[in-house]
Amino acid sequence: DGGITQSPKYLFRKEGQNVTLSCEQNLNHDAMYWYRQDPGQGLRLIYYSQIVNDFQKGDIAEGYSVSREKKESFPLTVTSAQKNPTAFYLCASGPRVLYNEQFFGPGTRLTVL
Amino acid sequence: AQSVTQPDIHITVSEGASLELRCNYSYGATPYLFWYVQSPGQGLQLLLKYFSGDTLVQGIKGFEAEFKRSQSSFNLRKPSVHWSDAAEYFCAVGGGSNYKLTFGKGTLLTVNP
Repeated sequence: DGGITQSPKYLFRKEGQNVTLSCEQNLNHDAMYWYRQDPGQGLRLIYYSQIVNDFQKGDIAEGYSVSREKKESFPLTVTSAQKNPTAFYLCASGPRVLYNEQFFGPGTRLTVL
Repeated sequence: AQSVTQPDIHITVSEGASLELRCNYSYGATPYLFWYVQSPGQGLQLLLKYFSGDTLVQGIKGFEAEFKRSQSSFNLRKPSVHWSDAAEYFCAVGGGSNYKLTFGKGTLLTVNP
């Protein structure tokens, strides 16, 4: 089956610890994205990558880091510098065309205690 | 800068009633427009999209949307709502060479039996 996988579904961490969220896609998409979702806030873009070994900051990149070493993978690290990391994180991918259609993974709910 | 406004935070309808969810966008060029649906704790699923051509587009699950350039709107409609349509709905606009989408804050739909 083609699709996007995110793991784990639920993640708990202590305050001050870095944590890495996994995102893998087998859709052969060039572009990948990370969004943060909070109640009533919609989706806010954290980072995006159009091709391997290249990525750009989105609207709320502070306290986050990413890498794009393989086309299929786009992991997100939530660092201890992120002031309010508890949220629902969504990964998406899409073909690198102007139509911009994006396909979403099931999400990871991160809770920092 | 592109933006999306979904004026209704929460809408309640009775099962079998018609539905219209509003979406207004701001974009400097030809927009590409999308409606996504999200069930609680899940990722987003694409309902329909508009790129060009016929301004009335059909999507999955019996949904349709009409693009009105003069009103900068892309409202989502369904003639008869089913209980399974209860979810959160997001409108999004894209079209730039950075392949980004901008999302509205969402409309939560409750369906009464």
